Amino acid sequence: EAGVVQSPRYKIIEKKQPVAFWCNPISGHNTLYWYRQNLGQGPELLIRYENEEAVDDSQLPKDRFSAERLKGVDSTLKIQPAELGDSAVYLCASSFEWHTGELFFGEGSRLTVL
Amino acid sequence: GENVEQHPSTLSVQEGDSAVIKCTYSDSASNYFPWYKQELGKRPQLIIDIRSNVGEKKDQRIAVTLNKTAKHFSLHITETQPEDSAVYFCAGRSSGGYNKLIFGAGTRLAVHP
Repeated sequence: EAGVVQSPRYKIIEKKQPVAFWCNPISGHNTLYWYRQNLGQGPELLIRYENEEAVDDSQLPKDRFSAERLKGVDSTLKIQPAELGDSAVYLCASSFEWHTGELFFGEGSRLTVL
Repeated sequence: GENVEQHPSTLSVQEGDSAVIKCTYSDSASNYFPWYKQELGKRPQLIIDIRSNVGEKKDQRIAVTLNKTAKHFSLHITETQPEDSAVYFCAGRSSGGYNKLIFGAGTRLAVHP
């Protein structure tokens, strides 16, 4: 069974440029999460989707971050414009349902903003 | 909301020794506590979890204990091996609000041969 797939794995951009990350969750998983992991820290939730509905985006900086999950499958996370402090690993995860426990993470997209 | 603190931030042990990582949580309504292992440059992967109706759970060389009264839980690894070297994250999920999984800051475990 294929795991959570993310792309790109690495992205280097200059500040004020836009960037987008893509995630394909495990087939059949209704819940999709975007986490941000700063160096030496644990993952922090940015947004959680139940199918195509964003049910928790309280930690998403909405002035520059946006996300979508069309048709309740793949998802994209966009940052526009990027700032130096956005440098981090952006992890996508999925689970069958939010209350079933295990999150399956992707390999992450490492963003460096210069 | 939930806050999870994890100690120590780094842990160094000799192969064969035991390792213990401790976490405390703030929300007494939290009912699910997983542990994730993240090897260098890899994705976090679940290694064990415990729910609030259980005090201890074991899986081969790893075990997790939960003390609801004190609001802390611990990961125990026995007979450590070099391949146990990784960053370990604890997490807690509240049963209220957004049911958000909050992660600790992580413990970097180094097992020396």
